[in-house]
Amino acid sequence: TQLLEQSPQFLSIQEGENLTVYCNSSSVFSSLQWYRQEPGEGPVLLVTVVTGGEVKKLKRLTFQFGDARKDSSLHITAAQPGDTGLYLCAGVGDYKLSFGAGTTVTVRA
Amino acid sequence: ETGVTQSPTHLIKTRGQQVTLRCSSQSGHNTVSWYQQALGQGPQFIFQYYREEENGRGNFPPRFSGLQFPNYSSELNVNALELDDSALYLCASSLLPSGADTQYFGPGTRLTVL
Repeated sequence: TQLLEQSPQFLSIQEGENLTVYCNSSSVFSSLQWYRQEPGEGPVLLVTVVTGGEVKKLKRLTFQFGDARKDSSLHITAAQPGDTGLYLCAGVGDYKLSFGAGTTVTVRA
Repeated sequence: ETGVTQSPTHLIKTRGQQVTLRCSSQSGHNTVSWYQQALGQGPQFIFQYYREEENGRGNFPPRFSGLQFPNYSSELNVNALELDDSALYLCASSLLPSGADTQYFGPGTRLTVL
């Protein structure tokens, strides 16, 4: 059972388009992380958001943490084929991460 | 600096068998966490080892067990394999046992149970 719900489950877009992935939880986490996982590899940390309302930018990626620290979004501007992958959000606990089921993003050239 | 490595890459077992998966943590890291990622799902926390002691455990039965060695490498053992144990098993190492400390994931071991 995933504590975090991600939507959509799948997303296929053309190169140059924008996309947004959502992560929602019924629980409050002290912080939330976003990962990207490519086939045959483990997840790689993209960003950690800590403060409610926080916005972080990583090149074409914009991450937002909801005011109540229960939801987050990842927005990609002008997506490129290299952005293809499984995007996972994870709530940070005392010693473990609680992951959502992920959003599979495919960017077509 | 050597990253997290896991062996073997792939493994096929039959129901009822036992399996051991191995993980070498990143240099300088004394904490290893294990996760199970079923197809189409996010990783699920199995347990964490810190300085050779189990530091926390997820909702997995006792037939999932682990070890951490003095060099901080780790093993995941699964007894009496079931079909639902088929998954990608990921280990992650970190400097501290806190969930807030950055965890570096290995490439995983793909286990198939027939």
